[in-house]
Amino acid sequence: GENVEQHPSTLSVQEGDSAVIKCTYSDSASNYFPWYKQELGKRPQLIIDIRSNVGEKKDQRIAVTLNKTAKHFSLHITETQPEDSAVYFCAACPGFQKLVFGTGTRLLVSP
Amino acid sequence: NAGVMQNPRHLVRRRGQEARLRCSPMKGHSHVYWYRQLPEEGLKFMVYLQKENIIDESGMPKERFSAEFPKEGPSILRIQQVVRGDSAAYFCASSLNRGGDGTEAFFGQGTRLTVV
Repeated sequence: GENVEQHPSTLSVQEGDSAVIKCTYSDSASNYFPWYKQELGKRPQLIIDIRSNVGEKKDQRIAVTLNKTAKHFSLHITETQPEDSAVYFCAACPGFQKLVFGTGTRLLVSP
Repeated sequence: NAGVMQNPRHLVRRRGQEARLRCSPMKGHSHVYWYRQLPEEGLKFMVYLQKENIIDESGMPKERFSAEFPKEGPSILRIQQVVRGDSAAYFCASSLNRGGDGTEAFFGQGTRLTVV
């Protein structure tokens, strides 16, 4: 089955810096890769996603890149703000079935 | 359009009791997924259902856990004879389609189960 690894587990940056979170997946059948943000005690919320026919997608300060050959994808957050502090989860979706999540990255943005 | 609704938000059960967790998907969504999240950990897939069908239950423990998504009404995750290790947040998600547009899964607020 699909296995998703996510790094780093924790990431501390200064406000205004960029943050990058990386994930790798194992199942070449995976074709959908969403990213979720979860604040403490709240539900995971979809922030951006990418499908396997696209290499990069951008939405304001957030971008995601996908390398199908290497089976890895990354989340890039530019000009970080304190409200970006949260746990971020990547996921892979083999055959558009269930989502298999990474273990999460705790991002802390210091003012 | 209301989001994914889960109830109860918090549930306390004594060891050996039954827990029933409910999930109403977003309007028009026919795909439901249940995930379990232990404190400080990630989201572990449990089961994927469509109306009246279990599509994938590979993440469900073999005993005591069951799930259904009837033709009418919410999806139910049922845990019989709960033990302390069942204490966790249980999240439900729903999606419009499987594949293509509408694949996005939206999560409910979760049910936090505490077994005492």
